[in-house]
Amino acid sequence: ILNVEQSPQSLHVQEGDSTNFTCSFPSSNFYALHWYRWETAKSPEALFVMTLNGDEKKKGRISATLNTKEGYSYLYIKGSQPEDSATYLCASSDSNYQLIWGAGTKLIIKP
Amino acid sequence: NAGVTQTPKFQVLKTGQSMTLQCAQDMNHNSMYWYRQDPGMGLRLIYYSASEGTTDKGEVPNGYNVSRLNKREFSLRLESAAPSQTSVYFCASGDRAETQYFGPGTRLLVL
Repeated sequence: ILNVEQSPQSLHVQEGDSTNFTCSFPSSNFYALHWYRWETAKSPEALFVMTLNGDEKKKGRISATLNTKEGYSYLYIKGSQPEDSATYLCASSDSNYQLIWGAGTKLIIKP
Repeated sequence: NAGVTQTPKFQVLKTGQSMTLQCAQDMNHNSMYWYRQDPGMGLRLIYYSASEGTTDKGEVPNGYNVSRLNKREFSLRLESAAPSQTSVYFCASGDRAETQYFGPGTRLLVL
């Protein structure tokens, strides 16, 4: 079973500041890396799926990078807004296609 | 387009009672999943079904059974509920290692 770790566990950021957090995963048998956004009392929603080393994906103010050789991905949020407050989950899948989830980074934006 | 639906949204059980959580998807996905989410922990896979007619154990299958009734429906059964099964249960669907789409969740309290 893969072990996916996210850091930090929680993060308080001032509105308008930019921030980033990390997902690390075993690089052996890697297939894909997923980022999800999970708001309180809602369901997780997909942000990005990345498969290739060096992949970069962007959606508005949120972007992500992938390093499959060293087994990490960064999620960046530029100019944080209150609506960015959520838990950000990453999950890694191996050649058997099962997703193994990290525990998440809880982001709180302070107005 | 309803996506992934789950019933019930909330349930209280007494220890030893049984119940079935229902899940249906209308996106023609081959794969369906049941997760549980507990405070401070990531999503943990209970069971999954890679295709109609197949089911496999995930990380935490003990105390649960599943049925893939057809391509649309995947149910999770607790035969004899225990307080340790108090959790939020999410159903998801997707295709292999692609994006998973989540239902709204079922909050289960076992007394």
